[in-house]
Amino acid sequence: EAQVTQNPRYLITVTGKKLTVTCSQNMNHEYMSWYRQDPGLGLRQIYYSMNVEVTDKGDVPEGYKVSRKEKRNFPLILESPSPNQTSLYFCASSSGQRGEAFFGQGTRLTVV
Amino acid sequence: SQQGEEDPQALSIQEGENATMNCSYKTSINNLQWYRQNSGRGLVHLILIRSNEREKHSGRLRVTLDTSKKSSSLLITASRAADTASYFCAVTDSWGKLQFGAGTQVVVTP
Repeated sequence: EAQVTQNPRYLITVTGKKLTVTCSQNMNHEYMSWYRQDPGLGLRQIYYSMNVEVTDKGDVPEGYKVSRKEKRNFPLILESPSPNQTSLYFCASSSGQRGEAFFGQGTRLTVV
Repeated sequence: SQQGEEDPQALSIQEGENATMNCSYKTSINNLQWYRQNSGRGLVHLILIRSNEREKHSGRLRVTLDTSKKSSSLLITASRAADTASYFCAVTDSWGKLQFGAGTQVVVTP
């Protein structure tokens, strides 16, 4: 089954404690991206990757890092989380930049 | 910055009625897509319309695109309670970046 898998689904952490949200896709997609969703703001892109070892900033990259060492995986790293990063995060992949995007189920992060 | 902006923000209708929501955007696009999100879950792709297309159908969905007005509409015909969800438009710009609007919350009551 074609899918994008994020882990964990829920996470509560404290300010400053480094965390990683994993994302994996089984569709051999080249393009992957991370979004955060906040009430009234829709989805905002954090980072995207057009292929292995190729990543670039989206609209709200501050406070986040990503890596793309393998085609299937695109982890999101928060080196020093802060309360304003409390949000619902989605990973997505697509076969090209202009195609249909497949989304993971989301990670609800709370930073206290 | 948001490109797609949906209107209305919320819509409440009864089963069997049609639901129409609109999307406006600001710059040139390669295509426009509509997605659906059930509460707190991942987005599911509904339909994609390319910049050189004017109308597209998929089951009970009808999408129109007017590039001169930089707007699109999504029509759900004969709505069902299961159509209750948030609907997002997303534009793919010339750089290939997918940008979402804030969404329209649709509630369909039996």
